[in-house]
Amino acid sequence: QTVLTQEPSFSVSPGGTVTLTCGLSSGSVSTSYYPSWYQQIPGQAPRTLIYSTNTRSSGVPDRFSGSILGNKAALTITGAQAGDESDYYCVLYMGSGIYVFGTGTKVTVL
Amino acid sequence: EVQLVESGGGLIQPGGSLRLSCAASGFTVNYMSWVRQAPGKGLEWVSAIYAGGSTYYADSVKGRFTISTDNSKNTLYLQMNSLRAEDTAVYYCAREVSGTYGFDYWGQGTLVTVSS
Repeated sequence: QTVLTQEPSFSVSPGGTVTLTCGLSSGSVSTSYYPSWYQQIPGQAPRTLIYSTNTRSSGVPDRFSGSILGNKAALTITGAQAGDESDYYCVLYMGSGIYVFGTGTKVTVL
Repeated sequence: EVQLVESGGGLIQPGGSLRLSCAASGFTVNYMSWVRQAPGKGLEWVSAIYAGGSTYYADSVKGRFTISTDNSKNTLYLQMNSLRAEDTAVYYCAREVSGTYGFDYWGQGTLVTVSS
């Protein structure tokens, strides 16, 4: 069974930068997995941030950026704001119509 | 304006069946997925349907759930049979950005509770 591992939690200061990662239990993440990233405030529907590794969804500020770092997908938040405090999930397309969500990272801004 | 509105959730006994609907507006349902979130847990992809009718399922629901669309109603469905307690979750429908294997629009979710 494929497991996508994310950091359980991260703390960042207002105005600071944080990079979240998404790794495969076996193997390296590449653009061929079309990594995407979603933000979810508890009790609300997910909001799309990034798809196809580094394409920002409509209306998403350029403070959010996606990339491949080493063997993982990465989401970088620069100039963190209080409103960025949320859960963040990565998703990989595994082929044959199958998607897998990461374990999620809770980001605290303080 | 793109909009997705789910309905059909509720309380159902183990072993029962339920059909969720996701009414779409502002686009034609072609590449769609269902994603769920159990209480206090993370997001889990459940099923996808592509233009042409190809369907895909997570192992956890394969053989029990069926995804479909009705183009005349521009609506996505999830037929859920043989429901188990572990199927309890908020179910979201999501639109895939064609060719990108990512989702851009999400519904507000509908809660399914499987309990006796």
